[in-house]
Amino acid sequence: DGGITQSPKYLFRKEGQNVTLSCEQNLNHDAMYWYRQDPGQGLRLIYYSQIVNDFQKGDIAEGYSVSREKKESFPLTVTSAQKNPTAFYLCASSPRGGEKLFFGSGTQLSVL
Amino acid sequence: DQQVKQNSPSLSVQEGRISILNCDYTNSMFDYFLWYKKYPAEGPTFLISISSIKDKNEDGRFTVFLNKSAKHLSLHIVPSQPGDSAVYFCAASARNYGGSQGNLIFGKGTKLSVKP
Repeated sequence: DGGITQSPKYLFRKEGQNVTLSCEQNLNHDAMYWYRQDPGQGLRLIYYSQIVNDFQKGDIAEGYSVSREKKESFPLTVTSAQKNPTAFYLCASSPRGGEKLFFGSGTQLSVL
Repeated sequence: DQQVKQNSPSLSVQEGRISILNCDYTNSMFDYFLWYKKYPAEGPTFLISISSIKDKNEDGRFTVFLNKSAKHLSLHIVPSQPGDSAVYFCAASARNYGGSQGNLIFGKGTKLSVKP
């Protein structure tokens, strides 16, 4: 089955700790994205990548980092610089040039 | 400043009746609009889209209407079913104005409850 897999589903971060959220897709999509959703809020774009080894900052990139070494994978690291990391994180992908995004099932990140 | 606004946080409708979800936008460069449906603890799924060259797009029970002069779009679900209960997000992009691919601007969502 083609799709986007995010792991883990739930993640807890201690103060000062970096954590990495995994996102893998087997849809052969060129573009991948990370969004953040806070309660009662829309989705806000953190980072996106349209091609391997290239990525761009979204609207709220501060405190986050990404890499795109493989077409299938786009991990997101929430660094200790992100002071309010508690949120629901969604990874998405799309064919190049397409706005119709396909989303993973999300990772809920909480701070201990 | 919110560029995409869904002013109704929630909507309750009786099964079999019409559900109308509204969305307003402020950026006149937006030319492509999408609706996504989201269940709790899951990722959003694409529902229907419309280009600014059209004023209506229909897919089964779902119809999206676009009023460019009013910068308003709406999603109609007829007839509504209990399985339609979810949060619906409106999203917009400026694909013909150098908008970053996939840089969709999302509204805050409207929670639809369809009662049996």
